[in-house]
Amino acid sequence: GDSVTQMEGPVTLSEEAFLTINCTYTATGYPSLFWYVQYPGEGLQLLLKATKADDKGSNKGFEATYRKETTSFHLEKGSVQVSDSAVYFCALRRSGTYKYIFGTGTRLKVLA
Amino acid sequence: DAGVIQSPRHEVTEMGQEVTLRCKPISGHNSLFWYRQTMMRGLELLIYFNNNVPIDDSGMPEDRFSAKMPNASFSTLKIQPSEPRDSAVYFCASSAGNGDTIYFGEGSWLTVV
Repeated sequence: GDSVTQMEGPVTLSEEAFLTINCTYTATGYPSLFWYVQYPGEGLQLLLKATKADDKGSNKGFEATYRKETTSFHLEKGSVQVSDSAVYFCALRRSGTYKYIFGTGTRLKVLA
Repeated sequence: DAGVIQSPRHEVTEMGQEVTLRCKPISGHNSLFWYRQTMMRGLELLIYFNNNVPIDDSGMPEDRFSAKMPNASFSTLKIQPSEPRDSAVYFCASSAGNGDTIYFGEGSWLTVV
């Protein structure tokens, strides 16, 4: 069945460091891929998405590129801030379906 | 624009009591989801409604859980009787249609003692 695998956390970085959170997926066909972010005490918010191969999603300085050849959708940010501390979830949804498959989440802590 | 609104935000209840969680989806959205989040299992889809009709309830843990959507602007998730293992964050989410991005509420944090 479909699945999403994220790198284990927590990830601890200093402010202005480069961030990569790895995400790989298994799915039939061409799923849409998503990154959601959950700040402490809040619900999940859509961060970015990509709907087809080679698409790049971007928002708030975060980027992720849909790589079909490596079945990956790694999240990157060039310079993290303390306010980026949160849990990040990678997810997929098969085209035309309602069901999202979420990864287990990666906790990011950014130190000043 | 108002997002998905859930209530209560926090609830502490005793084992055996009935718990009712409420959700108001984003206006105009016709798909509604209930998720449960725990440290052990992560995010689990409990039930999915489309146009107020339950389409997939395969994630509902057992008969103690029930969900209703009497109209397009309101849904409830009920646990009766509640047990300590039901302690979790319950999220409601909605979307404009099949395949559209889903938007989450802030969650209902349930503790059963």
